[in-house]
Amino acid sequence: SQQGEEDPQALSIQEGENATMNCSYKTSINNLQWYRQNSGRGLVHLILIRSNEREKHSGRLRVTLDTSKKSSSLLITASRAADTASYFCATAPQKTSYDKVIFGPGTSLSVIP
Amino acid sequence: DAGITQSPRHKVTETGTPVTLRCHQTENHRYMYWYRQDPGHGLRLIHYSYGVKDTDKGEVSDGYSVSRSKTEDFLLTLESATSSQTSVYFCAAKRGGTYNEQFFGPGTRLTVL
Repeated sequence: SQQGEEDPQALSIQEGENATMNCSYKTSINNLQWYRQNSGRGLVHLILIRSNEREKHSGRLRVTLDTSKKSSSLLITASRAADTASYFCATAPQKTSYDKVIFGPGTSLSVIP
Repeated sequence: DAGITQSPRHKVTETGTPVTLRCHQTENHRYMYWYRQDPGHGLRLIHYSYGVKDTDKGEVSDGYSVSRSKTEDFLLTLESATSSQTSVYFCAAKRGGTYNEQFFGPGTRLTVL
């Protein structure tokens, strides 16, 4: 079974709207990261939130973390067509070695111009 | 992309043949990882390295081996390719430390006929 699960699996919105993706995980973590993958490309790191942080911002991105519920959300405000991509959460379990992270299956976001 | 390249970018091979994929990084990162990406599974860790000649298995290591003779190069070998190993393979690299992100290569699309 996977450590992280994103929800929804797919999301389609109009340009200018906000997009929210959720990630749930199972074990205690050191940090949680969000990555973006454009079609046919490698993953690009977006933001990292530590286990003792509750919210973090980066440009149009806002990430929240609720360790009591073992969940995180990624909010993209004022979406653009260029935000069309797959988004993955990656968790760094506390009891793991060599800085490994576990990726969820991802959310596919389509932003319609 | 932190100077991470993968070769080849595309490969078609036949069942039973050996295949080697190469990952090269220019940033002197300590950790390197090989993942495979399949629909519905996100990224799954095959093998990782925590230093020159120091490697260990990930969650889907059967049928794969790795080698790291230099900091900058991490090789993934399929000893005898099978159709189930048809996938997109990504290499990643990371500095040491819990709160650093992974940098990904562009991926290799492997088809085993």
